[in-house]
Amino acid sequence: QQQVKQSPQSLIVQKGGISIINCAYENTAFDYFPWYQQFPGKGPALLIAIRPDVSEKKEGRFTISFNKSAKQFSLHIMDSQPGDSATYFCAASNGDYKLSFGAGTTVTVRA
Amino acid sequence: ETGVTQSPTHLIKTRGQQVTLRCSSQSGHNTVSWYQQALGQGPQFIFQYYREEENGRGNFPPRFSGLQFPNYSSELNVNALELDDSALYLCASSPGSDTQYFGPGTRLTVL
Repeated sequence: QQQVKQSPQSLIVQKGGISIINCAYENTAFDYFPWYQQFPGKGPALLIAIRPDVSEKKEGRFTISFNKSAKQFSLHIMDSQPGDSATYFCAASNGDYKLSFGAGTTVTVRA
Repeated sequence: ETGVTQSPTHLIKTRGQQVTLRCSSQSGHNTVSWYQQALGQGPQFIFQYYREEENGRGNFPPRFSGLQFPNYSSELNVNALELDDSALYLCASSPGSDTQYFGPGTRLTVL
């Protein structure tokens, strides 16, 4: 049973455009929501993370929006660049340091 | 780079064999977690070690076992390999917080 549902499975965006990836969860005990970026043949790299006490967090071109009542959170990649082409995973944990991952979204940025 | 290293990079085994994968945590990190990532899927939590003790386990059979050593390096052992064990095995270390840093993974192929 997947505890974090992620969509879309893949997306294509033009250079300079905005990529948006959505995740939903059921477990209200989750209190930590990170996003990871993974390139082929590499391990996931932590991009940005948020806790439920804030609704938005921005780091550079990456922004997490968090809706606690809807149990949803999303990643926005602004001004998408070809180097952003990768697979992105949302995840969640409830303080026990065990991450539950979404299925991943493959982002392709066309030049 | 996260400072988490894994060995070997790639491994090919046959069904029924046993395998040991190794992980060296980032300096100062006392918690290590192992994840299995099947092709095209998100990582699945196998188990976690904190100060040499198992600190939680995912939905994996007992033939998946682990160790953490006093220097916080770790091993994942899998007995009686099955074809479905073919995956990327990821090690993640943490300084005792939610933030987890992943290594590059070991690609295991079971024939």
